[in-house]
Amino acid sequence: KAGVTQTPRYLIKTRGQQVTLSCSPISGHRSVSWYQQTPGQGLQFLFEYFSETQRNKGNFPGRFSGRQFSNSRSEMNVSTLELGDSALYLCASSLACWGCNEKLFFGSGTQLSVL
Amino acid sequence: KQEVTQIPAALSVPEGENLVLNCSFTDSAIYNLQWFRQDPGKGLTSLLLIQSSQREQTSGRLNASLDKSSGRSTLYIAASQPGDSATYLCAVKAAGNKLTFGGGTRVLVKP
Repeated sequence: KAGVTQTPRYLIKTRGQQVTLSCSPISGHRSVSWYQQTPGQGLQFLFEYFSETQRNKGNFPGRFSGRQFSNSRSEMNVSTLELGDSALYLCASSLACWGCNEKLFFGSGTQLSVL
Repeated sequence: KQEVTQIPAALSVPEGENLVLNCSFTDSAIYNLQWFRQDPGKGLTSLLLIQSSQREQTSGRLNASLDKSSGRSTLYIAASQPGDSATYLCAVKAAGNKLTFGGGTRVLVKP
């Protein structure tokens, strides 16, 4: 079974640009969540999608948005990039069903550098 | 607001020694707690998940305990090996299905 796949692996952008990151969950997993990891702030929850609906959202500005498609694949978009958006962006998937194993499975992440 | 703390931030031990990693959280109303391992520049690998109704979970050389009332979890790694060198993070899941991570403990096992 393929794991969680994130593309691209690395990305370099300049301030003011926008970026879209992609995440393909493990087959059968319906929940996809996104996290930002920086040396200073650690791992912070961005949002979670379940059955194409945003179920939870962290404390990030509206420049950060996402969506989930009918095949559970998810995209995350950051508009008007700032230097502080440089981070490793991780996505995770889980079964998210009653009584299921709730373990999260993470992708390798997208390393975003904003110049 | 849930806060998760991991102390120490870094740990260095000789090969063969047992590792003890600590995680504390401020709000005991949790659904579960997970321990993860992260290698440099990589994603996280789930090691153990403890449901709020459980006291411990074991997998091979790994054992994790949970004391909800005191807001603590401990991850024990027996007979450490150089391959255990990584950053270990704990995360608690609470109301709203949100996961809150600790800052992690960076472990170095010296041969």
